[in-house]
Amino acid sequence: GNSVTQMEGPVTLSEEAFLTINCTYTATGYPSLFWYVQYPGEGLQLLLKATKADDKGSNKGFEATYRKETTSFHLEKGSVQVSDSAVYFCALSDNTAARKLTFGKGITLSVRP
Amino acid sequence: GAGVSQTPSNKVTEKGKYVELRCDPISGHTALYWYRQSLGQGPEFLIYFQGTGAADDSGLPNDRFFAVRPEGSVSTLKIQRTERGDSAVYLCASSSLGLAGGPRNEQFFGPGTRLTVL
Repeated sequence: GNSVTQMEGPVTLSEEAFLTINCTYTATGYPSLFWYVQYPGEGLQLLLKATKADDKGSNKGFEATYRKETTSFHLEKGSVQVSDSAVYFCALSDNTAARKLTFGKGITLSVRP
Repeated sequence: GAGVSQTPSNKVTEKGKYVELRCDPISGHTALYWYRQSLGQGPEFLIYFQGTGAADDSGLPNDRFFAVRPEGSVSTLKIQRTERGDSAVYLCASSSLGLAGGPRNEQFFGPGTRLTVL
């Protein structure tokens, strides 16, 4: 079946540091890939997505590139802010009619001023 | 506009009791999903509705779990004979139809219902 593996956390960075959060996946066919974010006290929000190989999703300074050859979708940001402190989930949706999501375990990011 | 809403936000019950969790999707969204998120884990798929029908219920863990969406809008997740292992945050998500007639890739999530079974 489908699965998503995220690097172990938590991650603590200083403001303006470079961020990489690793994500790899296992799936049949050609899934779509997502990063969701959960800010403290809020619900899950879509951060960015990519629907085919070599696509780059980007939003709020975050980027991730769909790498089919390495089955990866690593999240990066050049300069994190305190407001980026949240839990980040990598996910995939299969291309069946349901388009149900399979999530990784999530990783908590804390950014210090 | 209004997002996905879920009620109650918190529910505490005793082992063996019956509970109902409600989801009100974004207006006009025909696709509705239920997920369950245990502590320290990502959400896990439970069931998917397209309109009034449960098109995929492969994630329901056993026959104590059941969900309905009688008018194609509000959905209720029902859990019978609750067990302590059912304690989790139950998330609802909805999405609109894409050009091909199936749900779009983006799902919009509600704030969740935190269920605690004592």
